Amino acid sequence: AQSVTQLDSQVPVFEEAPVELRCNYSSSVSVYLFWYVQYPNQGLQLLLKYLSGSTLVESINGFEAEFNKSQTSFHLRKPSVHISDTAEYFCAVSTFSGGYNKLIFGAGTRLAVHP
Amino acid sequence: KAGVTQTPRYLIKTRGQQVTLSCSPISGHRSVSWYQQTPGQGLQFLFEYFSETQRNKGNFPGRFSGRQFSNSRSEMNVSTLELGDSALYLCASSLLGLNTEAFFGQGTRLTVV
Repeated sequence: AQSVTQLDSQVPVFEEAPVELRCNYSSSVSVYLFWYVQYPNQGLQLLLKYLSGSTLVESINGFEAEFNKSQTSFHLRKPSVHISDTAEYFCAVSTFSGGYNKLIFGAGTRLAVHP
Repeated sequence: KAGVTQTPRYLIKTRGQQVTLSCSPISGHRSVSWYQQTPGQGLQFLFEYFSETQRNKGNFPGRFSGRQFSNSRSEMNVSTLELGDSALYLCASSLLGLNTEAFFGQGTRLTVV
């Protein structure tokens, strides 16, 4: 069965430091990969996505993620974080299984940026 | 353009009752998906509707059902509520489906007492 593993449930970091949020998935078929961010009491917002093409994808607010097929990973990185980046981040995989398309989310990583 | 609207934002129900949640997608979006978010289970996919037809589904019991209307608005119904159904229910709309960008509403927080 397909699954998504976010290796860290919480990541504390100081402002302006770099950060990496790790995501691994298991799937024997082609997948589409997403990172979503959820601020307190809000729904999810798409941060970036990999559908095909270049394995490095970037968002408008400085985050980037690299699709690594051999390691089945899609880690999220930012070279310098801000206080406003404090939120919960979800990695998600869209795949076709059992006759259905499914969107499977990881458990989430809570990023806490400290001054 | 207006985002995804979910109503109501908060709901308290008693065990055994049923509940209906509503989701209005972004204008022009034909796909509506529903998710349950709980601290213990995280985000779990319930089902997806596209052009009034359930196109995809997750692994939830038959007490969870939904429908989509011709204007793409969707409703989710949960019958015979259990305490474990307490959760944040999120709706997402997209132009074409699960392989494209999904826009989420703020959710409906359901508490079952």
